[in-house]
Amino acid sequence: SAVISQKPSRDICQRGTSLTIQCQVDSQVTMMFWYRQQPGQSLTLIATANQGSEATYESGFVIDKFPISRPNLTFSTLTVSNMSPEDSSIYLCSAQPGDYGYTFGSGTRLTVV
Amino acid sequence: QKEVEQNSGPLSVPEGAIASLNCTYSDRGSQSFFWYRQYSGKSPELIMSIYSNGDKEDGRFTAQLNKASQYVSLLIRDSQPSDSATYLCAVNTGGFKTIFGAGTRLFVKA
Repeated sequence: SAVISQKPSRDICQRGTSLTIQCQVDSQVTMMFWYRQQPGQSLTLIATANQGSEATYESGFVIDKFPISRPNLTFSTLTVSNMSPEDSSIYLCSAQPGDYGYTFGSGTRLTVV
Repeated sequence: QKEVEQNSGPLSVPEGAIASLNCTYSDRGSQSFFWYRQYSGKSPELIMSIYSNGDKEDGRFTAQLNKASQYVSLLIRDSQPSDSATYLCAVNTGGFKTIFGAGTRLFVKA
């Protein structure tokens, strides 16, 4: 299975600022996915990132707030823009190498103050 | 809206017992089903996948799928305290999109 390196692992940010989260996969993958997980909750899909095209966002998530880049088949970034305390959460990237389940990055724990 | 439902628990079992985790899904066209284990403060890790009706065994884990009943389960035999975690059921509803249940917290008592 693939290994995904995600950084930063955690950050504390001021409201109104932006944070960019990076994920590097050790193999080429077609799709990468960005999830948010509130404490004690399940995973909510933010968007699907395909190399060479714009990301596809789920209902309730917009590109202006969560811009995503996917410059190649092993890398993606998610930016959380103009942050508010409601954005405090764990953000996870994932990929699906082959026809199997997802592999996840280690997560980014974001606290907005 | 496509949904995946799990009992949130906690499910508490004694060490050595069988833990049974259940999941139902709403999209009858779903083809792929997964169980993930998530330790507190960690990201989910895939432990089982199942694609056809019946049972699939891997070590102490057995996944069971019944598409007619839209039901997936995970059995953990000889439960160990190290199995204490949240177990997420996930369903691929077509293409690359996967929906996760809210998870069942399992506590194995030593």
